Amino acid sequence: EVQLVESGGGLVQPGRSLKFSCAASGFTFSDYAMAWVRQAPKKGLEWVATIIYDGSSTYYRDSVKGRFTISRDNAKSTLYLQMDSLRSEDTATYYCARHPTEGIPYFDYWGQGVMVTVSS
Amino acid sequence: DIQMTQSPASLSASLGETVTIECLASEDIYSNLAWYQQKPGKSPQLLIYDASSLQDGVPSRFSGSESGTQYSLEINSLQSEDAVTYFCQQHHDYPYTFGAGTKLELK
Repeated sequence: EVQLVESGGGLVQPGRSLKFSCAASGFTFSDYAMAWVRQAPKKGLEWVATIIYDGSSTYYRDSVKGRFTISRDNAKSTLYLQMDSLRSEDTATYYCARHPTEGIPYFDYWGQGVMVTVSS
Repeated sequence: DIQMTQSPASLSASLGETVTIECLASEDIYSNLAWYQQKPGKSPQLLIYDASSLQDGVPSRFSGSESGTQYSLEINSLQSEDAVTYFCQQHHDYPYTFGAGTKLELK
C-alpha cells in the first residue's frame, strides 16, 4: 500500500525557515517524481514544486523560487521541503504528492498534509 | 500561467441525480486535465486524468469529457459520499494550476 507521511510542520515567524519531510513507503520511491502541493485555509490547491526521480531536476512556482528548496534522499525514501524567508502567504497545509510516472504531472497519491502557520 | 475557471462554486443536488462540474482552460491544454475529490479534513484523491481516464478503484459513476478548452466531470446516480469538494487541475504546463473548487451538497 502506497503511503506518504509528512512531518515537521508548525508555527514559524515571518522571515524564518522551516524544513519538513515526507516518508514514502509501499512503492519504489526512486522510480517516481515527487511534488509538494499546498492549500491555504479554506482555499484551493496550489502546486509548489516538483523533483524528478533522481533529484537532478527541480521545478518551482514563481512565488517560492529562490526561497524554497525541494530535495530527496532515495536511500531513505524521503522527500523534503526547505522553506526560507517565509511569508504570511505561505501559511497552508502542505501535501506531499506522487507523480504517477516520470513526466506525467498529475498526482496519484497524496500524504495527509502538514500545517504550516507563518505568523508573528 | 494557464488559468482554470471552475464552475459552479457550489452545487446542491439530490441522491440519484446526475451532476456536472466544469472547468474552462484559458488556453489549449490538449486533454491534460485531472479531477480530484477532497473530503473534509482529508487530502485530495485522484478521480480522472487525461480528461477522461478513470483512475483505478474509482466508481464508474464518475466520468470526464471535453469540448475544446471546456472540461466536464459528470457524476451519475449521486451517492451521499459524493457530497464533498471537487477540483480540476491542468497537467499540460508549468506551473500546474487548479480550479478554485466546487462544493457539492445534498438537497
